[in-house]
Amino acid sequence: QQPVQSPQAVILREGEDAVINCSSSKALYSVHWYRQKHGEAPVFLMILLKGGEQKGHEKISASFNEKKQQSSLYLTASQLSYSGTYFCGTLSSGNTGKLIFGQGTTLQVKP
Amino acid sequence: NAGVTQTPKFQVLKTGQSMTLQCAQDMNHEYMSWYRQDPGMGLRLIHYSVGAGITDQGEVPNGYNVSRSTTEDFPLRLLSAAPSQTSVYFCASSQNRGEKLFFGSGTQLSVL
Repeated sequence: QQPVQSPQAVILREGEDAVINCSSSKALYSVHWYRQKHGEAPVFLMILLKGGEQKGHEKISASFNEKKQQSSLYLTASQLSYSGTYFCGTLSSGNTGKLIFGQGTTLQVKP
Repeated sequence: NAGVTQTPKFQVLKTGQSMTLQCAQDMNHEYMSWYRQDPGMGLRLIHYSVGAGITDQGEVPNGYNVSRSTTEDFPLRLLSAAPSQTSVYFCASSQNRGEKLFFGSGTQLSVL
């Protein structure tokens, strides 16, 4: 079952912050985050393993609440280059390798 | 480094035709997978492989076959193409299951 992402779309001005949420109905082993620009392949941002750790990539960070089976991606002081579609992917407990992605969140950053 | 290479980049098929989408990686990755991407549906897992000789079904495996005879190659076969298989197909690989995925550039397939 696909994880559920919210919101579906976000429009920001440069310098503003955004949060993208990812929720699963299954017990999770890890959560992946990827960004895809129009016409390109998805690009890896980060992986969060169960344990509630928070990781960062440039001004993008994420958290993972294992008990709630939720992850959030935080984009601070957004830049034009952050525009694209963000996908979370979840691996269920046992790490079978079956990485299932959410439907995506489209982020548009305007000058 | 070539990374993950997919061929062809574009393909048009008629309903009922068969074809193979090629995927090769030169990073000695154990894990490989195929996704299809449709508007509003995100990336949906078709099949995946955790090593040579081992494959398993993803979310949407019907109408597709895979095999993994070598570590490097993971072809996706459409047995009898249907319009519902019109999509963009991505191949991806990682060193091991659960690790960072490297995606190929995609194949845009249209079935008429």
